[in-house]
Formats: sequence, C-alpha cells, structure tokens
Amino acid sequence: DAKTTQPPSMDCAEGRAANLPCNHSTISGNEYVYWYRQIHSQGPQYIIHGLKNNETNEMASLIITEDRKSSTLILPHATLRDTAVYYCIVRASINTGTASKLTFGTGTRLQVML
Amino acid sequence: DTGVSQDPRHKITKRGQNVTFRCDPISEHNRLYWYRQTLGQGPEFLTYFQNEAQLEKSRLLSDRFSAERPKGSFSTLEIQRTEQGDSAMYLCASSMRGQAFPYGYTFGSGTRLTVV
Repeated sequence: DAKTTQPPSMDCAEGRAANLPCNHSTISGNEYVYWYRQIHSQGPQYIIHGLKNNETNEMASLIITEDRKSSTLILPHATLRDTAVYYCIVRASINTGTASKLTFGTGTRLQVML
Repeated sequence: DTGVSQDPRHKITKRGQNVTFRCDPISEHNRLYWYRQTLGQGPEFLTYFQNEAQLEKSRLLSDRFSAERPKGSFSTLEIQRTEQGDSAMYLCASSMRGQAFPYGYTFGSGTRLTVV
C-alpha cells in the first residue's frame, strides 16, 4: 500500500470549511484513497473514499488531483464535533476476497474552534 | 445491530500481571480484527480472524499476546506478563466477507490499557 503524508495538525473556525490535505505520490493505478476520522476515545470511523473522481457524501467531499498524487478532504461547515484525528489511507482494491487490514499513519489532528 | 462492543473500556494493571480483553463483533460479521494504538500514533494491525480461524498475525504480536475466537463469534485478546510498553488502546473491528470494503467495516471504541 502506498505511503501517505499529512500535516500533523490544523485549526479551523467553526462554520468554516476545513480542508485537510494528503500526499500520496507513490499511489498505484488500482489504489483507492480512503479517509477515516477518530474522535477522542472512540474507534476510527469511515468518512469517504475515491479512486480518481471527486466524491461527495453527507459527511464530506473528497477532491483527488488529476495525477492522483494528492487529495483533499473537505468538511464544508466544520462544527466542534468534527474535532478529531483524520487519517488518509491508500490501499489496493476493494476485492472482497482479501482481508481488509488497514495501515494508518499518524493523521492530522483537526481542532475546530469557536 | 448494536455495533462492535469491547469490554472493559479501561483497564489498569500492574506490570507482570495478565490481562484479557473481549470483543463482540456485529452479529453477522465473520471477520474480526485486532489493532493496537499507542499515544499519538495511528492504529496498528495485530491479527485477523475469519470465523474461528486466526489467519494472519503481525510481528507486533509477541509471544506474550494470544488471541482467540473459539466459536467464531466473540474474541478475546490476552496479554501475559504485561510490560509498561503494552500501555495502549486495543481496538477491535469486524466486517463481513463478501461485503466490499469499506462498507460494513466497523471499529469498536477500544479498551485502554494502562500498565503501572
């Protein structure tokens, strides 16, 4: 699985968009980008994933650059409850026949402030 | 569906003691994973079960660690002769074989172990 690089921490004002970057310059053609977050004292929670097209769901948007070497997770209107560690994970295929162990980096600690 | 349940939530033990944690996966999930998370780090994979079979173990899982899933439902993780370096959050996750990742892959809230 490709290695990812994320800033260790970011701040965001409540109500503003939080843009969390991730570099994955060694990503392979069959590798997806997944984002998880971990709120204090809880397990990681899936947010969104994508291969090459931009994706949006009820939680966030994912923008993947055309060369797929980096991506940005966007929380459009951050709230205090979005304060968490956000992990960008790149892994090969979603083949259901393989075990899905995940390799987490150290993530970005997002602090949403009043 | 009550999610993945882990017990206890917190455990404080003296160095040298044995500890056991329990994970109850989502009922229809046949895959179960254990991860360890130390302070400031992301979770690290420890081991994986499909039904009752332990199919993969990380090199992080030393001889003092043993995991079981005897009936393919709940799992236990035991640490013998605990050391201060074992202090961490132990996370369990479960998923369903045949369901495309990441859908259904669910983590519990973890057991926080402190070895004093």
